[in-house]
Amino acid sequence: GDSVTQMEGPVTLSEEAFLTINCTYTATGYPSLFWYVQYPGEGLQLLLKATKADDKGSNKGFEATYRKETTSFHLEKGSVQVSDSAVYFCALKFPDSNYQLIWGAGTKLIIKP
Amino acid sequence: NAGVTQTPKFRVLKTGQSMTLLCAQDMNHEYMYWYRQDPGMGLRLIHYSVGEGTTAKGEVPDGYNVSRLKKQNFLLGLESAAPSQTSVYFCASRPQGGGYNEQFFGPGTRLTVL
Repeated sequence: GDSVTQMEGPVTLSEEAFLTINCTYTATGYPSLFWYVQYPGEGLQLLLKATKADDKGSNKGFEATYRKETTSFHLEKGSVQVSDSAVYFCALKFPDSNYQLIWGAGTKLIIKP
Repeated sequence: NAGVTQTPKFRVLKTGQSMTLLCAQDMNHEYMYWYRQDPGMGLRLIHYSVGEGTTAKGEVPDGYNVSRLKKQNFLLGLESAAPSQTSVYFCASRPQGGGYNEQFFGPGTRLTVL
């Protein structure tokens, strides 16, 4: 079945380090792809999205490119801050599915000053 | 706007007890969702609603019931709680429309069933 796999956490980095959180998916069609972020004590919020191959989503210094050939949507940021500490979720959705997102397990990111 | 709010934030139940989780949104959204979040797993959809008076089963509906009597509220009920229902529960809502509309999440309810 369709699924999303994320790298296991926690990922611990120093401030200003380069970040990559891997996300790969298995799907029979051409889904839209998303990254959501959950800050401590809060609900999830949409970080960025891409709806077709080679699209790049970006927000708050984070980027992810929809790679159909490798079925991946890795999240990157050039210089992380302590305030980026959170749990990051990768998810996918098919155009004909109005209601359900398929979620990865989440990756906890810890940034040390 | 308060966005999506959830009540309570924490709850401890004994096996067999019942409870209701309340989700409220003030954004006039048509769609509402209940998810559970368990360690090492992504969010799993329990039930959802596409409008006032309608509900439908998601991926893991067993042991839960829901009601959407008012557009702004979506209630999740556990009739006889079990330890397997220990989880963090998130409510979300989104506006109606084609394509993809962002889901807005509440802060979550942490439920422990002893």
